[in-house]
Amino acid sequence: GAGVSQSPSNKVTEKGKDVELRCDPISGHTALYWYRQSLGQGLEFLIYFQGNSAPDKSGLPSDRFSAERTGGSVSTLTIQRTQQEDSAVYLCASRGRASSYNEQFFGPGTRLTVL
Amino acid sequence: TQLLEQSPQFLSIQEGENLTVYCNSSSVFSSLQWYRQEPGEGPVLLVTVVTGGEVKKLKRLTFQFGDARKDSSLHITAAQTGDTGLYLCAGSNTDKLIFGTGTRLQVFP
Repeated sequence: GAGVSQSPSNKVTEKGKDVELRCDPISGHTALYWYRQSLGQGLEFLIYFQGNSAPDKSGLPSDRFSAERTGGSVSTLTIQRTQQEDSAVYLCASRGRASSYNEQFFGPGTRLTVL
Repeated sequence: TQLLEQSPQFLSIQEGENLTVYCNSSSVFSSLQWYRQEPGEGPVLLVTVVTGGEVKKLKRLTFQFGDARKDSSLHITAAQTGDTGLYLCAGSNTDKLIFGTGTRLQVFP
């Protein structure tokens, strides 16, 4: 597709359940980012993948959060044993090699609600 | 820790008015971007500024990067209802962006 896509668009889950969120970046983009946004606030960095390098996991809030990027394309963010404070919009972004200034293209996000 | 503070946090104005949003930091950034986000969507890049003192215009929007590359402003002339949204600044020194706290703009007809 032309842009970054994310699925599902909405996810409602019960406290303690695991969830998987998917991101399809723009074709050919080597860099992929996950962010969390609470209540229409600024974005909180979670994790960054660049090509075949080890991901930068410095923003993951706890060991319940993990992410993978298979084949340098699709990425999955997994949250285990979800808690109510995990409720937020999870945004994925990708960046191409041609970007000189870290300009990122965002997907529409997945709204996660933990009951 | 690098932080970007935006002000005001909320802004509610009538169509035709002018407004300015500020983005301030104690840190120097090599580049700074402005994004606009509408409900249910991801942020969309408006502009990137890279040189201290740089001014860029995008139709009715004027963006300025401070001389010391620590702050930026966004000025909207004659606001329209279509300008409604969340405005985010984001600074970059590495491969990661540091996002500001956001300014929610509501323009009434």
